[in-house]
Amino acid sequence: AQSVAQPEDQVNVAEGNPLTVKCTYSVSGNPYLFWYVQYPNRGLQFLLKYITGDNLVKGSYGFEAEFNKSQTSFHLKKPSALVSDSALYFCAVRGPYNQGGKLIFGQGTELSVKP
Amino acid sequence: GAGVSQSPSNKVTEKGKDVELRCDPISGHTALYWYRQSLGQGLEFLIYFQGNSAPDKSGLPSDRFSAERTGGSVSTLTIQRTQQEDSAVYLCASSPREGYEQYFGPGTRLTVT
Repeated sequence: AQSVAQPEDQVNVAEGNPLTVKCTYSVSGNPYLFWYVQYPNRGLQFLLKYITGDNLVKGSYGFEAEFNKSQTSFHLKKPSALVSDSALYFCAVRGPYNQGGKLIFGQGTELSVKP
Repeated sequence: GAGVSQSPSNKVTEKGKDVELRCDPISGHTALYWYRQSLGQGLEFLIYFQGNSAPDKSGLPSDRFSAERTGGSVSTLTIQRTQQEDSAVYLCASSPREGYEQYFGPGTRLTVT
């Protein structure tokens, strides 16, 4: 069965420092991987995706993610964190191919960036 | 362009009442999804519509939950005889086709008292 794990409930980073939000996955077949961000009382916003191609994927707001097949990981990164990046981040994997593209989400990681 | 919209943004209802939640997807998107977000369960898939195909209802938690999509556009999620455990944020998403990224609405926060 497809699954996603985000091992950290919370990540704390100082503004200007690099940030990493971790995600590992388990899938049968080729993974379709996504990152979403959720600000308080808002819906989810799409950040980036990996389907095929370069292992380093660039997305919105300066975020990028690295697909690592051997480690089954898809960590989200940003070289220099901003206070405004503070939010809840979700990693997701597409469900089984015959189940219409539904997303299976990790539990979420709360990112806190302090000035 | 316009994103996914949902109404109402907040709904408070008494236990046992029926509620209807509405989703307007992005124009031209053929795939529509409903998810539920709650503290204990995280983000859960509920139901999926693709064009005129039969919906995938595999995520609906009980037969009190149903959804329809009229004319390949607007969708309504109905919860009958609401229970306190139904309290959650209900999120709708649409996608230009299945497997592509999904775009989410702001959600409907349902509180059952």
